[in-house]
This record gives sequence, structure tokens and C-alpha cells, in this order.
Amino acid sequence: AQSVTQPDARVTVSEGASLQLRCKYSYSGTPYLFWYVQYPRQGLQLLLKYYSGDPVVQGVNGFEAEFIKSNSSFHLRKASVHWSDSAVYFCAVTASANTGKLTFGHGTILRVHP
Amino acid sequence: AQTIHQWPVAEIKAVGSPLSLGCTIKGKSSPNLYWYWQATGGTLQQLFYSITVGQVESVVQLNLSASRPKDDQFILSTEKLLLSHSGFYLCAWSRQGRYAEQFFGPGTRLTVL
Repeated sequence: AQSVTQPDARVTVSEGASLQLRCKYSYSGTPYLFWYVQYPRQGLQLLLKYYSGDPVVQGVNGFEAEFIKSNSSFHLRKASVHWSDSAVYFCAVTASANTGKLTFGHGTILRVHP
Repeated sequence: AQTIHQWPVAEIKAVGSPLSLGCTIKGKSSPNLYWYWQATGGTLQQLFYSITVGQVESVVQLNLSASRPKDDQFILSTEKLLLSHSGFYLCAWSRQGRYAEQFFGPGTRLTVL
């Protein structure tokens, strides 16, 4: 079975600071990993995805993530956050070829102080 | 470009009443379709998925049902709502094929009283 752990329920940073949101997954095979963002009262937007190849993947709005297989991690990073980045961030993994079953973490609430 | 529309935007319903939520995808033929449920402040749980018209698979049993009457339409329903059905319902689509990323609709907020 696959699972995702986001150990930080809430993260608060100042505008302009760097950011790392942590994600660890559990799956014995090759995972396919995603980061989504959810703004208040809205659906989810895809930030970035990792399927294979270069372990550092670039996403939208300056976000990037690094896949580290030895650590089963897929942390999200941004060099300089903006107040508009305040939202809930979800890490997700899929390993099912047939159902498209996405397993989500519990999310990390990011608050950026202006 | 593909667009995904969900209706209604929000619903307030009584316990025991019926429910029907809808989702339509435009600009993409033969998409895979998914229903998710999100408790307030919680994570997302996949409920159903469909790879073709008339075929729906259940992932989690929550006294809900789903149907896909048209290629671009996905319906979530129940004849009798429970308090535990309250939450945010999200429809998503992906292209056919393995591990394709999913794109989400704006969601429907359901409050059961």
C-alpha cells in the first residue's frame, strides 16, 4: 500500500524567506509524485510532478521539488516566498496503473507574513 | 483548453434527503474521471473513478454512488444523506494512460444539517 506523510501541519515564514515543505512517501516500487496547492474555498492546482529522470523538477511560480529515493522524500522548495503563496499544500503519490489512485498527505498550511 | 465545471457551488441539505452533484469536462474527449471527498481542514479521499461511459469503480464505500451517463459528465449521488457526508467534493480528470496527472475542478461545498 502507498502512503504519504507531511510532518508539518503548519508552516509560517516571512515574505522573501526561503521555504521547504516536507513530504515522505511509502511505496515499495517506483512512485509517481505530485505537489498540489489549494487556495481557500477552491479546488487543487498542480504545482509540479515527478515521473522519472532528473530528480529535481521545476514547477509553476518558482516552486521546485527534489526526489530523493534513498530517503523516500519529495520535499517542495521555493527560494523566496510571496504573501500570495499562503495556501494549503498537498503532496500525493500514485503507483496504480489502472485506477489513477492518488494518495494524498494531510496537507501543510503555509502562512506567509507580509 | 480543457475546462472542468462542477455544480452546484454549494448545497445545504437535511439529513435523510437525496443529493446529486455534477461535473462536466469540456475540451477533452474520453477523459478518466474521479470523485474526491475532503473533510473540512482534511486530506482528500478518492471515492470513484471512471475510464469510460457507463463504467464506474468504487474506491471507498461512503453510502454514495456515481454514474457516468456521458463521456464528459460525472454524477455523484445518494438517496439519503448522512451528517458524515458534509465536506468538499472535488471532481478531477486525467488523460487516458498510466500515471497521468489529475486536474481538479472548483469543488462543491456540502453541508448536511
